Amino acid sequence: AQSVTQLDSQVPVFEEAPVELRCNYSSSVSVYLFWYVQYPNQGLQLLLKYLSGSTLVKGINGFEAEFNKSQTSFHLRKPSVHISDTAEYFCAVRETSYDKVIFGPGTSLSVIP
Amino acid sequence: DAGVTQSPTHLIKTRGQQVTLRCSPKSGHDTVSWYQQALGQGPQFIFQYYEEEERQRGNFPDRFSGHQFPNYSSELNVNALLLGDSALYLCASTLTGGGTPEAFFGQGTRLTVV
Repeated sequence: AQSVTQLDSQVPVFEEAPVELRCNYSSSVSVYLFWYVQYPNQGLQLLLKYLSGSTLVKGINGFEAEFNKSQTSFHLRKPSVHISDTAEYFCAVRETSYDKVIFGPGTSLSVIP
Repeated sequence: DAGVTQSPTHLIKTRGQQVTLRCSPKSGHDTVSWYQQALGQGPQFIFQYYEEEERQRGNFPDRFSGHQFPNYSSELNVNALLLGDSALYLCASTLTGGGTPEAFFGQGTRLTVV
């Protein structure tokens, strides 16, 4: 069965500092991987996705993520965060042949001025 | 191009009552999934509808039921509401068998059970 682990429930970081949000997944088949962002009282917005090919994927708002198949990881990074990046971030996995998306528990990113 | 729309945005119900939430998928999408997001947690998969039938179901009791209409819109019904049903309910749409595989989400319906 699929599962997603986000090791850090809360990540505080100073403005303009780099950040990495960690995500590990388990699945017995090939998968699609996603990062979504959720601002307070809003739905989920897709940040980026890994479907196949290059293991480094770039998304919106300067975020990028690297897929590592051997470590079953898909960590999210940004070289310099802004106050506006304060939000909840969810890693998600979807098996190629099914539409169900499984989410991790989320990481709350707080950017400190 | 309209995205995923959900109604209502907020709802307050009394324990034991029944509630219906509605979702219109993104234009061109034919599959609707429903998720429950409790405060401080990740979304949990409830079920998915395709071709007007429930295709997959998560670990939720039968009090949770749904429907999909010929125009692909969907409803989520919850009977005999419990306090623990208070959550943000998210609808996601995808296109089965084509296009890009990411799910597009609506803004959600915030259900409060008192």
